[in-house]
Amino acid sequence: ETGVTQTPRHLVMGMTNKKSLKCEQHLGHNAMYWYKQSAKKPLELMFVYSLEERVENNSVPSRFSPECPNSSHLFLHLHTLQPEDSALYLCASSKGGLAGVPSYNEQFFGPGTRLTVL
Amino acid sequence: KQEVTQIPAALSVPEGENLVLNCSFTDSAIYNLQWFRQDPGKGLTSLLLIQSSQREQTSGRLNASLDKSSGRSTLYIAASQPGDSATYLCAVRPSGTGFQKLVFGTGTRLLVSP
Repeated sequence: ETGVTQTPRHLVMGMTNKKSLKCEQHLGHNAMYWYKQSAKKPLELMFVYSLEERVENNSVPSRFSPECPNSSHLFLHLHTLQPEDSALYLCASSKGGLAGVPSYNEQFFGPGTRLTVL
Repeated sequence: KQEVTQIPAALSVPEGENLVLNCSFTDSAIYNLQWFRQDPGKGLTSLLLIQSSQREQTSGRLNASLDKSSGRSTLYIAASQPGDSATYLCAVRPSGTGFQKLVFGTGTRLLVSP
């Protein structure tokens, strides 16, 4: 148990559906991340939020829409996805996140949401 | 652009063996390097984090080394056990990124047989 939870753990959706992934961290961290893990590819960073402000958008299609209402919660809203978006979506959190502060910055990951788009 | 490579992609050993997993990265300008473990269909568990100024870190049967100038890290697992079976991921944090952007390798899938 890393202190980062994700729901749902599994999700099957059609291409016309709208769904949301939720991440919650109980570690007092102030930076949160979404990653995508596809088969046989490295984890890809999608979004980074620091102090509830989006600070990184790694060229992610607009059909993925993140939301960070507070430092403990992170959402990923999904709409009109494609079958190639099927993957394991991982959330992570860490301390720090301020530019020029490379101190203790270990990222803690949630268990992921296995998404299948039909 | 930073790229991280892990060799081998898969490794199968009998229980009790000592083993070494390798990680290489193309740009030596990093803040730190982190080793993770991932069990099938699950999230990542952080094993060890080495800051760029450090040469190694140890935790139990695990020892990770870092040679920043040559762009290499190794994860040494002593006296392997079946419970060590998992995919091991290496990730670096490039310098100049204020927001802890990690670049991952594709992992080494380890199987330790009883």
